[in-house]
Formats: sequence, C-alpha cells, structure tokens
Amino acid sequence: DTEVTQTPKHLVMGMTNKKSLKCEQHMGHRAMYWYKQKAKKPPELMFVYSYEKLSINESVPSRFSPECPNSSLLNLHLHALQPEDSALYLCASHTPGQGTEAFFGQGTRLTVV
Amino acid sequence: AQSVTQLDSQVPVFEEAPVELRCNYSSSVSVYLFWYVQYPNQGLQLLLKYLSGSTLVKGINGFEAEFNKSQTSFHLRKPSVHISDTAEYFCAVTLTGANNLFFGTGTRLTVIP
Repeated sequence: DTEVTQTPKHLVMGMTNKKSLKCEQHMGHRAMYWYKQKAKKPPELMFVYSYEKLSINESVPSRFSPECPNSSLLNLHLHALQPEDSALYLCASHTPGQGTEAFFGQGTRLTVV
Repeated sequence: AQSVTQLDSQVPVFEEAPVELRCNYSSSVSVYLFWYVQYPNQGLQLLLKYLSGSTLVKGINGFEAEFNKSQTSFHLRKPSVHISDTAEYFCAVTLTGANNLFFGTGTRLTVIP
C-alpha cells in the first residue's frame, strides 16, 4: 500500500463553520505533512509531524489546528476560515532522514464562502 | 538556507519533440533532489529522485534527470513527449536528515499536438 488517502475530496464551508480534513497512510511513515496550494503556485508547507509530535509550524494562523492521533492519521481542524483560505490542501508522508520521497495524497479542494 | 529555482514558468513543446525543464538549487550542505508531476486537481506524483551515486537518474514515464554538482543543477529531460505529459512539474530539495521539502515555483509543460 503506497497510498496517502485524504478525505473529503471537496469541501465547501462557510466562514462560521467548523470542519476537519483527514489524512491516512499505512506505509509506516513517521513524518506527516500538511501543505496548502493556491492555483498556479507550488505547495506551501504548513505543518510537520515527526513521530506524532508537531515539529514544524510555519507560522500558520490559529484558525488551522493540526492533530496527529496516531502514526497513521493526520487531521486538520478548520474554524472561522476566510475566503482567501480557499485552496487545495495536500497531505504527505515519508520516513524522516532517509532520503525517501514524500508520498502525497490527492488533496482536498477547499472553498470558503 | 536552501532554495530551488525553476527558470521557466511555462514550456510549450510539440508532441514527440524533446524537452528539458530546468532546475537549480542552492545549499551549503548535502541535499536530496526530486522531481514531482502534478496533473490538474491531483496531488503530486514522484517522477524521480537523486540521493547519491550515479548522477543520471531515470524515472517513470520516460523521464530522466542529471545531477550536476558543479552547476548545482538537476534538469529534467524527456527525448519525446506525449500529449499526456501536459502537467505542472515541480523540482524539490530536502536537506539530508531533514523533514522539510522545499519546492521550486513549478514549470507548466504544455504539449502541442
């Protein structure tokens, strides 16, 4: 199994809603990532969890709250988002420090209205 | 600090013609280098990677890249492109032993029939 599974594929939410994005991998990878990608731009790193601990937070606003319940799961909780937060949110995983590639999910297309 | 530069934002090429997508990096320490492809509304898929050893790396879909340490480059090539190669291509770098994956700004390859 070399897949990273993200749900949902599409999400439309209002600015007062609370929603969560989910990511799952069963490759035994111990680092998991959230990236945000705007149209025609490269992915921008948001958070990194390494061995289930938050190791990198790239100054992301608090309306985005990551959670890593176990080594296979990664969530991104969303609350009080703004329309400019609309983007493709990508999850990735890999084994830290071994030069292996990061495996990406198909992403969640988020629209904030 | 490390950075990745993709010199061409868009590359149009006729079907069955060769193509080269350029990538240069800067880093004061050893790095691992990757090329990813992204089809519309999809996640990122690894094309190939350079960790060490032979500087010519072969990947999927007939792509190859050559690591040139003196020129700090990792250009991607394909001798004959197909319509299905139309996509966004990202060069990426990570420091050996690190968790961060830094992306270039991407090159949009458009194959013209």
